[in-house]
Amino acid sequence: QSALTQPPSASGSPGQSVAISCTGTSSDIGAYNYVSWYQRYPGKAPKLIIYEVTKRPSGVPDRFSGSKSGNTASLTVSGLQAEDEADYYCSSHAGNYNVVFGGGTKLTVL
Amino acid sequence: EVQLVESGGGLVQPGGSLRLSCVGSGFPSNKDWMGWVRQAPGKGLEWVANINEDGRVTSYEDSVKGRFTISRDNVKRTLYLQMNSLRDEDTATYYCGRWVYHFGMDVWGQGTAVLVSS
Repeated sequence: QSALTQPPSASGSPGQSVAISCTGTSSDIGAYNYVSWYQRYPGKAPKLIIYEVTKRPSGVPDRFSGSKSGNTASLTVSGLQAEDEADYYCSSHAGNYNVVFGGGTKLTVL
Repeated sequence: EVQLVESGGGLVQPGGSLRLSCVGSGFPSNKDWMGWVRQAPGKGLEWVANINEDGRVTSYEDSVKGRFTISRDNVKRTLYLQMNSLRDEDTATYYCGRWVYHFGMDVWGQGTAVLVSS
């Protein structure tokens, strides 16, 4: 049960797009279309923004999109806004009702 | 309002035990998988344990297997995490949550801090 690999940091200017990667293995991301992404502000609980690789819960702006290729999932934030500055975590189902998270990526809006 | 509230955290010596509780409100207590996720100081999120709707199916992260037990009482709308043989590396803030959509956690508690130290 190794953690998924995310870059520690990412950045972009307002209006730009930024992609955050999340790399796993053929036992988790590669095996299931059950990747989720969370947005987390300091001192707050995480918020689910993407589930099942590409789907957005009600109320999440369509500026947030998810994708997957092989063992790597990606979160793309388009039209960056100042309020998007936060930590982002990925997770994946890993079989046998197990879940694995990524180490998190700090997104900075320049 | 859908809400989860954890309690039971605190300071415990290595080798000791704690039981965390998580009370839910605003949604049916017996319709969803539930789980515990923790975050150690300066670290990322780490999944700890899951339990199915009726409590008969559980799963654990490898490092807590045999030491932690997840359970639920749907009548009391409460999720539990019994933690035994605690280690320094179990120090973290523990969050309970509701799993939906094939293991997306859409409701999170505010967290309860566990400090394992002598």
